Amino acid sequence: DAGVTQSPTHLIKTRGQHVTLRCSPISGHKSVSWYQQVLGQGPQFIFQYYEKEERGRGNFPDRFSARQFPNYSSELNVNALLLGDSALYLCASSLVSRRGGIYEQYFGPGTRLTVT
Amino acid sequence: DQQVKQNSPSLSVQEGRISILNCDYTNSMFDYFLWYKKYPAEGPTFLISISSIKDKNEDGRFTVFLNKSAKHLSLHIVPSQPGDSAVYFCAASAGASGTYKYIFGTGTRLKVLA
Repeated sequence: DAGVTQSPTHLIKTRGQHVTLRCSPISGHKSVSWYQQVLGQGPQFIFQYYEKEERGRGNFPDRFSARQFPNYSSELNVNALLLGDSALYLCASSLVSRRGGIYEQYFGPGTRLTVT
Repeated sequence: DQQVKQNSPSLSVQEGRISILNCDYTNSMFDYFLWYKKYPAEGPTFLISISSIKDKNEDGRFTVFLNKSAKHLSLHIVPSQPGDSAVYFCAASAGASGTYKYIFGTGTRLKVLA
C-alpha cells in the first residue's frame, strides 16, 4: 500500500510569494495533519483536518491556511512568505477514534521549502 | 513553553549494546505517547506507542517505559544495530480528551557504532 505522499519534494520561493503544498493520505485515513520542522527542532503542529473540517490549529499566523478535499487529500497554503518560513513541511495521516482522538500518525517524506 | 523535552541531543552506543533514549513531559493531560525515528531526507517513521494506562510496551527490539508520577518515558533498543542510527523524537498527545495534535520533543541523535 502507498504511504503518505507529498508534492513537491523541494521548492524555492522568494519573500512575499505564495506557496501551495499538497498531501495525499494513506488509503482509509480521514485525518490529515500538517507540521513544520525547522533544523534542530521537532515537528511543530500547524493544522489538523478531519472530514474536510479544521479540527485544530497550532500557533501559526493567518498567512498559513489549509483545506481538505472530499478524497481526504489536503493542501497547505502559505501567503506572503518570510525567510523564517524556510523549513521542512510534513504531512501526516491517521485513523480517528470515535471520540475524535487520533491514533499514531504516519508521515510523508516532507516538502523542503526554501525562501530567499 | 516546551511541554515535551529530550535533554540529550545525541547518544553514541556500541553495536549490540542497549540504547536508552529519554523524554520528559510537563502536561499532566498527556495520555498517549509515541516514539518516531527519522532518517535524513525522510519523514518521521512511527516506532512504538504507549497509553497512559500502561507502564510498558514492547515491540521486538523496542520497549517503551512510562513513569507517570515522574512524567518521564524512555525508549530502550536492545540490541542496538548500526541501522538504528537516526534522530529519535518522542511525542505526546491528550488523546482521551479528543484532541488532535502531537507535541514533539527536539529529538536525540543516536549513533550506533559498529
